[in-house]
This record gives sequence, structure tokens and C-alpha cells, in this order.
Amino acid sequence: DGGITQSPKYLFRKEGQNVTLSCEQNLNHDAMYWYRQDPGQGLRLIYYSQIVNDFQKGDIAEGYSVSREKKESFPLTVTSAQKNPTAFYLCASSGVAGANVLTFGAGSRLTVL
Amino acid sequence: GENVEQHPSTLSVQEGDSAVIKCTYSDSASNYFPWYKQELGKRPQLIIDIRSNVGEKKDQRIAVTLNKTAKHFSLHITETQPEDSAVYFCAGGDYKLSFGAGTTVTVRA
Repeated sequence: DGGITQSPKYLFRKEGQNVTLSCEQNLNHDAMYWYRQDPGQGLRLIYYSQIVNDFQKGDIAEGYSVSREKKESFPLTVTSAQKNPTAFYLCASSGVAGANVLTFGAGSRLTVL
Repeated sequence: GENVEQHPSTLSVQEGDSAVIKCTYSDSASNYFPWYKQELGKRPQLIIDIRSNVGEKKDQRIAVTLNKTAKHFSLHITETQPEDSAVYFCAGGDYKLSFGAGTTVTVRA
């Protein structure tokens, strides 16, 4: 469904714990992105990767980390340093970085208890 | 970086009427402006996009206009239908996109 799979769909975390969200794509896309969606704030870019083994910070990278060891995978770790982690997280990919159509995953909803 | 502002935040229209959503952007280097539709509980999906070398683009009931001088672009939906009810996001940028805050469109039957 859409070529991008995010897991888990729902995740609960206690304060002080790190959590990793998975994002896998089978579209052979070079670029991958993580966005955070909060009500009334649109989508804000956390991190993006244009090629394997390379990634850049987006607008709200503090408290998050990523890796891009394989072309098809771009996991996001929400660390305990993220002060307000409860949100809906969307992963996306595009054929090439820049000015291209984004294909989104179904999202992961993280709730910190 | 790019800053995209979107108005209005909510829009209610009678079925069959037109809906218009407007966005402004700040970075004159931005050259790609897509529009995404997100239905409740679903992922955003591209509905139309426009690049900076084009002033207008149309796809059936949906059209987008771009004014590079004024740095604004708009989405026009004609003959609205109940299935057009959703949240619409504009975005702008180049190698990375900045999104507007979204417009919740409700089409009244």
C-alpha cells in the first residue's frame, strides 16, 4: 500500500525512554524524510536523507536521531531529550531529493504517558 | 529557511460551490509548490503541484495558480462534493519542503 511501511502504528512510551519508529520503502527512492504532525501546525521536517549513509537536520531535529544504512530504511529514534514527543510521525520518500513528489507512509502515533 | 503560511485554517462551503485556499512563501529560491489532501485518519496524498516556470495548472475540478512576484499560490476547487471534505496542505521549497498549517475543508450537502 503506497510502497512505504511505517511501524508500529501506535506506540506508548514512558517518560525517559527512547523509542525507535521504523520506516521501510520498496519504491527504490533515493530520498527519505521524517515529518512530525501536530494539530494546527501542519507538517514539520525533522530529518531528511538524500542518499545512503547521509542525512541532514530539518527544522525540528532536537531530541531526535536517524540512520540511513540501507536505501530502503530510514528509522527515527525519539530520545528522552525530546521535550514534547507525543505526536503523529510521518515518513515519506521521493525519487530524488528536491522538487519531487513525496509518497507518505500511514504514520505512527506516539503517546508519552 | 522557507516559511509557508496558509489561509484560511477552516473553510465551509455548500456542495457545488467553489473553495479557494491561499498560501504565501518567503524564499524566492523555492521552485516547487505541491498541494496535499489528507482525509481523516489517512496519509497525505498529492493532488496537484506546480513548478515555478508555470503560472497555472488545472486537473479536472482542481486548479493551482502561482504568482512568483508576489510569492503566493492558491488552490481552487470547483463544483465541490462531499468527498472533497478533508485537510489540505500547501507546501513550498526546493530540495526540502516546508508545509503550511493546513486548511480543514467541510463541504455541506
